[in-house]
Amino acid sequence: IAGITQAPTSQILAAGRRMTLRCTQDMRHNAMYWYRQDLGLGLRLIHYSNTAGTTGKGEVPDGYSVSRANTDDFPLTLASAVPSQTSVYFCASSDLRTGELFFGEGSRLTVL
Amino acid sequence: DAKTTQPPSMDCAEGRAANLPCNHSTISGNEYVYWYRQIHSQGPQYIIHGLKNNETNEMASLIITEDRKSSTLILPHATLRDTAVYYCIVYYGQNFVFGPGTRLSVLP
Repeated sequence: IAGITQAPTSQILAAGRRMTLRCTQDMRHNAMYWYRQDLGLGLRLIHYSNTAGTTGKGEVPDGYSVSRANTDDFPLTLASAVPSQTSVYFCASSDLRTGELFFGEGSRLTVL
Repeated sequence: DAKTTQPPSMDCAEGRAANLPCNHSTISGNEYVYWYRQIHSQGPQYIIHGLKNNETNEMASLIITEDRKSSTLILPHATLRDTAVYYCIVYYGQNFVFGPGTRLSVLP
């Protein structure tokens, strides 16, 4: 059972570069989410998607974009990375009927 | 902003019950209380959720007060592997908002 798969696991990136974090789920969940986690700040919602073809902004969307072309994939793109985007990024999905969230193992991004 | 308040940290002796409190005084009638935990740097893991009745599963029990303004997560026999950050979340709309949680340390 794969659940949620994120890639890459870890990445070091020069400031100004473009980066896409990939997220794939095999549970056919309607909703998907991207969170970032920083020391002392907990998990903060970046973007979400309630169903394929729709997306919405979370608490900290600036500098990030997402797309949801199909049910399984929900990539997060940093168009021009900045050092403040150094963080651990978690993708999650949920079945809106139960509300239970399933998380990936995270992608650690360092922007220099 | 998170709609819950939790103590930043707690200690518990191994083998004893861990009781983690959560205040959610502004909870509305159709909002559920969810608990997740995050062990070290892994992705958060679902534990339990409830609306107004007490709930129990193989991991924990959830006690919700009658006025629903607070709840307690109970780990009946804490082990060292239960050391983690525990998040209490009021589920509203379709987005989960995580607060800072409670860092539980289970001590040998």
